[in-house]
Amino acid sequence: NAGVTQTPKFQVLKTGQSMTLQCAQDMNHEYMSWYRQDPGMGLRLIHYSVGAGITDQGEVPNGYNVSRSTTEDFPLRLLSAAPSQTSVYFCASRLLNRGPQPQHFGDGTRLSIL
Amino acid sequence: AQRVTQPEKLLSVFKGAPVELKCNYSYSGSPELFWYVQYSRQRLQLLLRHISRESIKGFTADLNKGETSFHLKKPFAQEEDSAMYYCALSGLNAGNMLTFGGGTRLMVKP
Repeated sequence: NAGVTQTPKFQVLKTGQSMTLQCAQDMNHEYMSWYRQDPGMGLRLIHYSVGAGITDQGEVPNGYNVSRSTTEDFPLRLLSAAPSQTSVYFCASRLLNRGPQPQHFGDGTRLSIL
Repeated sequence: AQRVTQPEKLLSVFKGAPVELKCNYSYSGSPELFWYVQYSRQRLQLLLRHISRESIKGFTADLNKGETSFHLKKPFAQEEDSAMYYCALSGLNAGNMLTFGGGTRLMVKP
């Protein structure tokens, strides 16, 4: 049981480049989310999804797109990378029913924008 | 809007000393509170949640609705407790998003 898997683990981009951060979970969790982790600011929610075909914005959605075509996958796209998007990105998933459930996190993707 | 505040970015204690990591929240309804921990080079993992009222690795946390706080406590800190600790809040509806505080780095010195 792999849990939440994120790829790549590290990435360096140039300003203006685009890329997709991959996230997959094998626990049949309905709820998936993306956070960015910055020093002193904790984890801030970028986008989340409560099921296939349904996505919504979190606290800091600008510059990022998501889609949820399957239950398992929730990719995060940076359309035109900016230095302000240098961060560590975490994907998380959890069950949706029976009230708020603990989230399961991936190992993170460390992204640097030059 | 929901908000979580962890006033201390860094907390340094000696081994065997008591530890209290502070967490204050703002939420208009009834919240569910969590503490997550991130050990060095590991992924975030759940430490404990308010609704379970359990003690994990000697840590406890009590929800104080009057003071809107959910402080994490341990009577005797161990070196292996050194980590980043995040307080988080969610509403009680299943689809509610989870909001994190800024985190507190706990360093336990020998």
